[in-house]
Amino acid sequence: GAVVSQHPSWVICKSGTSVKIECRSLDFQATTMFWYRQFPKQSLMLMATSNEGSKATYEQGVEKDKFLINHASLTLSTLTVTSAHPEDSSFYICSALEWWGASGYNEQFFGPGTRLTVL
Amino acid sequence: KNEVEQSPQNLTAQEGEFITINCSYSVGISALHWLQQHPGGGIVSLFMLSSGKKKHGRLIATINIQEKHSSLHITASHPRDSAVYICAVIMDSNYQLIWGAGTKLIIKP
Repeated sequence: GAVVSQHPSWVICKSGTSVKIECRSLDFQATTMFWYRQFPKQSLMLMATSNEGSKATYEQGVEKDKFLINHASLTLSTLTVTSAHPEDSSFYICSALEWWGASGYNEQFFGPGTRLTVL
Repeated sequence: KNEVEQSPQNLTAQEGEFITINCSYSVGISALHWLQQHPGGGIVSLFMLSSGKKKHGRLIATINIQEKHSSLHITASHPRDSAVYICAVIMDSNYQLIWGAGTKLIIKP
């Protein structure tokens, strides 16, 4: 199956710094990617939908100025956590949507996730 | 009520036992994923289902679209199967995922 990579797989940073997480579709083009966040012992929650070439659509309660999403190419979406604070420490995962021609069939593929720890 | 419900929340079993994890959902979906999450957080996709049944090694996943229910089975369970198993449905309206809370599975040797 198709592969989605995330980089870095884990990151530790100081409070107040910004952290960029990359999500890449390695062997297919993804016009749509999704970003999810998981708090400890909780389910993953959708943060935003990222569409190539346009602004991301954020879910209610997600600060778009804090979690900057850029989907500049068909294989790369980035999530930047700006001025990170300890409460931003979490597990972040992306998924990428692959469409199959005109049939409307699609599959989603998941990145392995990025663990962010803000000190 | 959550749109995706998993049961049980926690399951402890002995090595070799047959394991079943259930997932029920209440929204219209285009497909359903079963994923495995290890303690470090990394997620591995096990199956994507839109109908019927799939098998991979000792893992079997089934889905009943009419009943809005899916099951994940593990045959001849092994301690290395210990992980959190998550059911996630893809909404047919916008392709977004709704995630279940996960089932924490512990297999004792």
